[in-house]
Amino acid sequence: KAGVTQTPRYLIKTRGQQVTLSCSPISGHRSVSWYQQTPGQGLQFLFEYFSETQRNKGNFPGRFSGRQFSNSRSEMNVSTLELGDSALYLCASSAGLAGGELFFGEGSRLTVL
Amino acid sequence: KNQVEQSPQSLIILEGKNCTLQCNYTVSPFSNLRWYKQDTGRGPVSLTIMTFSENTKSNGRYTATLDADTKQSSLHITASQLSDSASYICVVSASQAGTALIFGKGTTLSVSS
Repeated sequence: KAGVTQTPRYLIKTRGQQVTLSCSPISGHRSVSWYQQTPGQGLQFLFEYFSETQRNKGNFPGRFSGRQFSNSRSEMNVSTLELGDSALYLCASSAGLAGGELFFGEGSRLTVL
Repeated sequence: KNQVEQSPQSLIILEGKNCTLQCNYTVSPFSNLRWYKQDTGRGPVSLTIMTFSENTKSNGRYTATLDADTKQSSLHITASQLSDSASYICVVSASQAGTALIFGKGTTLSVSS
């Protein structure tokens, strides 16, 4: 059974640009959640989608947005990039909502110059 | 305020030795507590998930304990191996309107030969 797939694995952007990250969950999983990981703050919850609906949202500015498609694949978008957005962005899937077991992807490492 | 604190921040041990990592939380209402292992540059992998009624749970050489009264958990690693070198993250799930996951900042374990 394939795991959670995140693309791209690495990317470099400059301030002011925008970026879109993609996450394909484990087959059959309907929940996808996104996290930002930085050395200073650790893992921080961004948002969770279930059946194409955002069910939960963390404390991040509106520049961070996401969506989920009917096949459960999810994308997150960050607009007007800032240096502080440099981080590892992790996606996790679960069969139900995030109260259940999470399966993480390998992450997308974003560097903002 | 919901918080998860882990100690120590980092730890170095010799291969073959045992070690114990600590997690204290102030999360309410409590749903479950999870331990994840994260290798450098990889996504976290679940080690254990414990609910309120579970005191101990093992996964191979990893044994997690939970004291819901004192709101403390520990992760004990027996007969450490070089491959145990990783970050160990404690995560507490709060059962509220929309499940919230509160992450600790992790303990970085280095096992040397």
